[in-house]
Amino acid sequence: GDSVTQMEGPVTLSEEAFLTINCTYTATGYPSLFWYVQYPGEGLQLLLKATKADDKGSNKGFEATYRKETTSFHLEKGSVQVSDSAVYFCALSDRRGGSNYKLTFGKGTLLTVNP
Amino acid sequence: DSGVTQTPKHLITATGQRVTLRCSPRSGDLSVYWYQQSLDQGLQFLIHYYNGEERAKGNILERFSAQQFPDLHSELNLSSLELGDSALYFCASSVESGVSTDTQYFGPGTRLTVL
Repeated sequence: GDSVTQMEGPVTLSEEAFLTINCTYTATGYPSLFWYVQYPGEGLQLLLKATKADDKGSNKGFEATYRKETTSFHLEKGSVQVSDSAVYFCALSDRRGGSNYKLTFGKGTLLTVNP
Repeated sequence: DSGVTQTPKHLITATGQRVTLRCSPRSGDLSVYWYQQSLDQGLQFLIHYYNGEERAKGNILERFSAQQFPDLHSELNLSSLELGDSALYFCASSVESGVSTDTQYFGPGTRLTVL
């Protein structure tokens, strides 16, 4: 079945540091890929997505590129802020699902950014 | 605010009891997905409804059931509760135009504690 593997952390960085959170996936079909963010006490928010190979998703300074050859979708940000502290989830939705596009999630990475 | 509402926010109950979690999707969204988030299992897909019809089941126990009503709100019923059912339950909605890139918008979740 489909699966997502991401570095579990926790990751602790100083403000303005560079962030990378690795994510790799396994899917029989041709999935769409997502990064969701969960702030403390809140639900999940879509951060960015990519739907085909070499697509780059970007939002709020975060970027991730859909790499089919390495089955990866690593999240990066050039300069993190304290407000970026949250749990980040990599997820996929496999188009083979027909009428069901459930999300398969990684285990999440806790990011803490210190001033 | 995603536009998806969930009630109640917190629920504390005893083993063997039955509870109902409610979800109202964003205006215009026909699909509702339910997910369970627990420390040991992470985020897992439970069930998907589209316009009142069940579309797919994931890792949902037989003690759990759901339905989607004509006004498109959905309820997740959990019965014969066990300690291990303690978790955060999210619903998510999407337009579901038949494309897996449709964004799923998540509600704030219901935190269930079984004592």
